[in-house]
Amino acid sequence: EPEVTQTPSHQVTQMGQEVILRCVPISNHLYFYWYRQILGQKVEFLVSFYNNEISEKSEIFDDQFSVERPDGSNFTLKIRSTKLEDSAMYFCASSEPGRDYGYTFGSGTRLTVV
Amino acid sequence: QQQVKQSPQSLIVQKGGISIINCAYENTAFDYFPWYQQFPGKGPALLIAIRPDVSEKKEGRFTISFNKSAKQFSLHIMDSQPGDSATYFCAASSRGFGNEKLTFGTGTRLTIIP
Repeated sequence: EPEVTQTPSHQVTQMGQEVILRCVPISNHLYFYWYRQILGQKVEFLVSFYNNEISEKSEIFDDQFSVERPDGSNFTLKIRSTKLEDSAMYFCASSEPGRDYGYTFGSGTRLTVV
Repeated sequence: QQQVKQSPQSLIVQKGGISIINCAYENTAFDYFPWYQQFPGKGPALLIAIRPDVSEKKEGRFTISFNKSAKQFSLHIMDSQPGDSATYFCAASSRGFGNEKLTFGTGTRLTIIP
């Protein structure tokens, strides 16, 4: 079964540093997303991406965040100048047109800011 | 208005029993209601989903009941098994071209005891 692959699985970074979280969506999917889940809390939408541009972003997705699809397979989330409160599980997801199949989520990257 | 309220926060059910998790929403533009299952350290996985044109959808031991007038929907797990122990999230979205944002409920930690 096709999977969404995320790397790294766990990243520890110092406050103020930049991190890039990487994702390889399912190859025939056209919509890409980032969500985050602070420990023990609900999954929150960050951003959706379609046709090489942001479709929608949440209030959480401020100027500190950016997304990019640098080639035909990767989808990245960059967090500039990380803060302690950015510590969370970050999930990449993708979906295809005819959305009844739903999203496929990756296994996530646990980001710890120290 | 974008919130999806989920209850209970945690649930313990005996093996073979029925697990019931409830969700309520306010945004009448929502037209897609999936349930996700999440095991520790993994991303959410689509379990079952429903659209408001039907009141019930069943897939194996999992059933969604949907009450459009009350703006409520619930997940029923029949003959609950220890392998069903996981966190369950309801979610909702409004279909839009290139905008498939999911709004998640707060999650229910389900434990099935022998």
